[in-house]
Amino acid sequence: EAQVTQNPRYLITVTGKKLTVTCSQNMNHEYMSWYRQDPGLGLRQIYYSMNVEVTDKGDVPEGYKVSRKEKRNFPLILESPSPNQTSLYFCASSRISGGPLEQYFGPGTRLTVT
Amino acid sequence: QQPVQSPQAVILREGEDAVINCSSSKALYSVHWYRQKHGEAPVFLMILLKGGEQKGHEKISASFNEKKQQSSLYLTASQLSYSGTYFCGTVNRSYNNDMRFGAGTRLTVKP
Repeated sequence: EAQVTQNPRYLITVTGKKLTVTCSQNMNHEYMSWYRQDPGLGLRQIYYSMNVEVTDKGDVPEGYKVSRKEKRNFPLILESPSPNQTSLYFCASSRISGGPLEQYFGPGTRLTVT
Repeated sequence: QQPVQSPQAVILREGEDAVINCSSSKALYSVHWYRQKHGEAPVFLMILLKGGEQKGHEKISASFNEKKQQSSLYLTASQLSYSGTYFCGTVNRSYNNDMRFGAGTRLTVKP
């Protein structure tokens, strides 16, 4: 079954404690992306990746890091989380043809930073 | 810059029609439409590439006017299952692959 998986689904942590949210897709997609979703703001792109070792900033990259060492994985790293990073996070993947095509979203990770 | 969606919310009775608009201040390469139900991930509806094409998906269709940098999503004869929040996503030029999503339009269909 074609899918994007994220772990963990829920996470409560404290300010400053480094964390990683994993994302994996089994569709051999070139494009992968991280979004955060906050009430009234829709989906905002954090980082995206065109392929292995190719990443670029989205709209709100501050406070986040990513890496793309393998095509299927695109982890999101918060090295020193702060309360304003409390949000719902989605990972997505798609093929590329002149730009991203149909994006498949993971189930989401709800992060709370206290 | 996020695209601007309107209206922010709409309430319909089953069988009624709705239009959701999406506009950008920048030249658009593609427009993507997604629907998200409460507590779930967004689900892809359709993508429109520059060229003014119109696409359809069941009773949901969309148009793209690249001169006006606008897209519209048309929902005809709405069903209860159409309820959810609709997002447009835009890519501003070919091979600039960052996506910007609008704030969403909450659609409620009542019996």
